[in-house]
Amino acid sequence: DAKTTQPPSMDCAEGRAANLPCNHSTISGNEYVYWYRQIHSQGPQYIIHGLKNNETNEMASLIITEDRKSSTLILPHATLRDTAVYYCIVRVPFGNEKLTFGTGTRLTIIP
Amino acid sequence: DAGVTQSPTHLIKTRGQHVTLRCSPISGHKSVSWYQQVLGQGPQFIFQYYEKEERGRGNFPDRFSARQFPNYSSELNVNALLLGDSALYLCASSGIEQGYEQYFGPGTRLTVT
Repeated sequence: DAKTTQPPSMDCAEGRAANLPCNHSTISGNEYVYWYRQIHSQGPQYIIHGLKNNETNEMASLIITEDRKSSTLILPHATLRDTAVYYCIVRVPFGNEKLTFGTGTRLTIIP
Repeated sequence: DAGVTQSPTHLIKTRGQHVTLRCSPISGHKSVSWYQQVLGQGPQFIFQYYEKEERGRGNFPDRFSARQFPNYSSELNVNALLLGDSALYLCASSGIEQGYEQYFGPGTRLTVT
């Protein structure tokens, strides 16, 4: 699995959009970008994933650059409950359930 | 629908003892994976089982073993516990209906003294 690089921490004001970057310059053609988050002492929670097109669901949007070497997770209206560690992972999804977690980005939402 | 469940929630063991952790996947999920999360780090992959067969193994010693039962529940066993085995042990299940996304349980907090 390709390696990812994320900033260790970020702050965002409540109600504003939180933009979390991830670099994955060694991503291969069949690897998807996945985002998970982990709220303190809970199991990680799946957020969103994508291959090359931008994706949106009820939780977030995922923007992947055209060269696929980086991506941004966007939480459009951050709330205090979005305070968590966010992990960016790249992997081939089918037949390979292994997730390789890095240290992630600790996002703190400021009231 | 019930999510992934794990038991026990917490337990305390002494060095040298062994421990068994249990996981019940989401109904319909046939794949179960185990992860170890040491304080301050991201989860580290230990095992994956699919249809009762081991499909993947992480870089963990042979003291760690697992199995999956016909009902797709799973056990993780750790023998000869060391202080460094203190961690949050996470179980995740996945299924074709959800595109193989991993759904995690709340974890078992193991403390070795």
